[in-house]
Amino acid sequence: EPEVTQTPSHQVTQMGQEVILRCVPISNHLYFYWYRQILGQKVEFLVSFYNNEISEKSEIFDDQFSVERPDGSNFTLKIRSTKLEDSAMYFCASTHERTQETQYFGPGTRLLVL
Amino acid sequence: GDSVTQMEGPVTLSEEAFLTINCTYTATGYPSLFWYVQYPGEGLQLLLKATKADDKGSNKGFEATYRKETTSFHLEKGSVQVSDSAVYFCALRRGSTLGRLYFGRGTQLTVWP
Repeated sequence: EPEVTQTPSHQVTQMGQEVILRCVPISNHLYFYWYRQILGQKVEFLVSFYNNEISEKSEIFDDQFSVERPDGSNFTLKIRSTKLEDSAMYFCASTHERTQETQYFGPGTRLLVL
Repeated sequence: GDSVTQMEGPVTLSEEAFLTINCTYTATGYPSLFWYVQYPGEGLQLLLKATKADDKGSNKGFEATYRKETTSFHLEKGSVQVSDSAVYFCALRRGSTLGRLYFGRGTQLTVWP
């Protein structure tokens, strides 16, 4: 069964460093999302992406964040200058254009900023 | 704004016990409601959903009924198994079917044999 994959599974970085989190959505999906979950808190929406542009973003998704689909398969989230409070589990999700009810999630990347 | 409040965990049950995980929501209009489950090391998987009031979603023995009068979508299972041990997330989506999901905090369920 097709699935969303994410790399790396864990990332440790120093405050102020740039990180890129990678996702490979399901191959025929066209809508992509990033969510995050800070430990002990809710899963929060960051951004949605379609047709090579951002469809919607939350107040969390400030200028430090960017998303890109650099090729036909990868979908990336870049954090330009990480802060301690960026430590969280980051989930990628994708949706098929027709079966739009279900967002399919990856296993997540756990980011720790020291 | 839209939000989901979910029963705090962790929940620990013996096999074959009855499970209820409470979920209430705040939203304008008529949101769609979801339960997602996350097994260890895996992504969030859709467990069940309901798109309008009084709909009952069901899957793998789990059920939840969309109650508009009480703004609730409680998850129930009559007899849990060890393999049901996971984190359960209640979520809503308002408006467009491509819209963002609003999640609760998740409830860790552990089932002992």
